Amino acid sequence: ETGVTQTPRHLVMGMTNKKSLKCEQHLGHNAMYWYKQSAKKPLELMFVYNFKEQTENNSVPSRFSPECPNSSHLFLHLHTLQPEDSALYLCASSQDKGGYTFGSGTRLTVV
Amino acid sequence: SQQGEEDPQALSIQEGENATMNCSYKTSINNLQWYRQNSGRGLVHLILIRSNEREKHSGRLRVTLDTSKKSSSLLITASRAADTASYFCATAHGGTSYGKLTFGQGTILTVHP
Repeated sequence: ETGVTQTPRHLVMGMTNKKSLKCEQHLGHNAMYWYKQSAKKPLELMFVYNFKEQTENNSVPSRFSPECPNSSHLFLHLHTLQPEDSALYLCASSQDKGGYTFGSGTRLTVV
Repeated sequence: SQQGEEDPQALSIQEGENATMNCSYKTSINNLQWYRQNSGRGLVHLILIRSNEREKHSGRLRVTLDTSKKSSSLLITASRAADTASYFCATAHGGTSYGKLTFGQGTILTVHP
């Protein structure tokens, strides 16, 4: 365990489903991030929350909706996804500009 | 523009040899970080070097940073089969209080026993 916990580890969903990814950290970090990792592409930053306020939305389609109820929890709500959204979704946290602590990721498959 | 581009894309060596990976970036940075990833799992932070530092060590890892050339290198000495993984560099920039790292595509390192 790294201190950042992501659930579920694997998720298969249809294009009409609604699901949520959960991320939790108890490291006392003030920033949390969602990244998408697709095959043969660099990690793509999706959203940044700093002190539970969204500070970055990297032109992510509205079918991805983040939520940060407090500085320890981060969600990614998914609805009407496309097959090309299949990827590894990684959550991370950091204290200011320090090193990130990543979760193990959620492997998402959209069918 | 793409930041943190690693070179080579893949590296295959024998156990005991040294492995060197390079990273180039385009704009000024606050710090540069190296991460390791095993088989599609989460990334593990290895080392952070600040823009005013030139070299940093951690165990068998040595990182150098040349801000004039906008490049960094990661050296793993006396490699082991367990070092087999993908290695990523990531750059953090000024202007924000939080990290907002930009990652490269990574180097796939294979260490043969």
